[in-house]
Amino acid sequence: DTAVSQTPKYLVTQMGNDKSIKCEQNLGHDTMYWYKQDSKKFLKIMFSYNNKELIINETVPNRFSPKSPDKAHLNLHINSLELGDSAVYFCASSQTSGLLYEQYFGPGTRLTVT
Amino acid sequence: QQQVKQSPQSLIVQKGGISIINCAYENTAFDYFPWYQQFPGKGPALLIAIRPDVSEKKEGRFTISFNKSAKQFSLHIMDSQPGDSATYFCAARTYNQGGKLIFGQGTELSVKP
Repeated sequence: DTAVSQTPKYLVTQMGNDKSIKCEQNLGHDTMYWYKQDSKKFLKIMFSYNNKELIINETVPNRFSPKSPDKAHLNLHINSLELGDSAVYFCASSQTSGLLYEQYFGPGTRLTVT
Repeated sequence: QQQVKQSPQSLIVQKGGISIINCAYENTAFDYFPWYQQFPGKGPALLIAIRPDVSEKKEGRFTISFNKSAKQFSLHIMDSQPGDSATYFCAARTYNQGGKLIFGQGTELSVKP
């Protein structure tokens, strides 16, 4: 019954590797997001997709590439991982019709780059 | 102008007391102000939200007070309980930016029994 799910929950990898994080939502929402939470717990948006179309692309290195195969899925692929990529990555979703646009967050993926 | 400033960074309150967390913003285009609660190892969860045409919203023990002219809003937790111990984030959104939320820096609340 999980609304927004992410896999894996933990990801430990070495510098230079390529890794992917997957996100799925079963809320029927049309918009999905990736946020990064750093070691000081600051949350910052990275990307947003609406109906599979990229609508927000913040200042994120080109090594990060989101992909949305359908409205319910948003994956994040990271090339050539660096130490500074270590963080918790959260997927979120919302429905853009209606007034409030509540965003629902997944449980997070803790990425550790060694 | 896109920033949301949150204070205090950390807060210790006795059980039964009132916890107050404050946020300030500059961008008058913000049209939606949610508060999120995050427990360790979990994702942020929406707690309560307000639109700028309302000065106060209450849900159970949680109240948002909104001062549009001062561009400030605050979260009040009445009768604080140890189970409220978590990190709280205020946020703001502009309608025409795809739902992007700008988060405050977070407040780590500890409620002592």
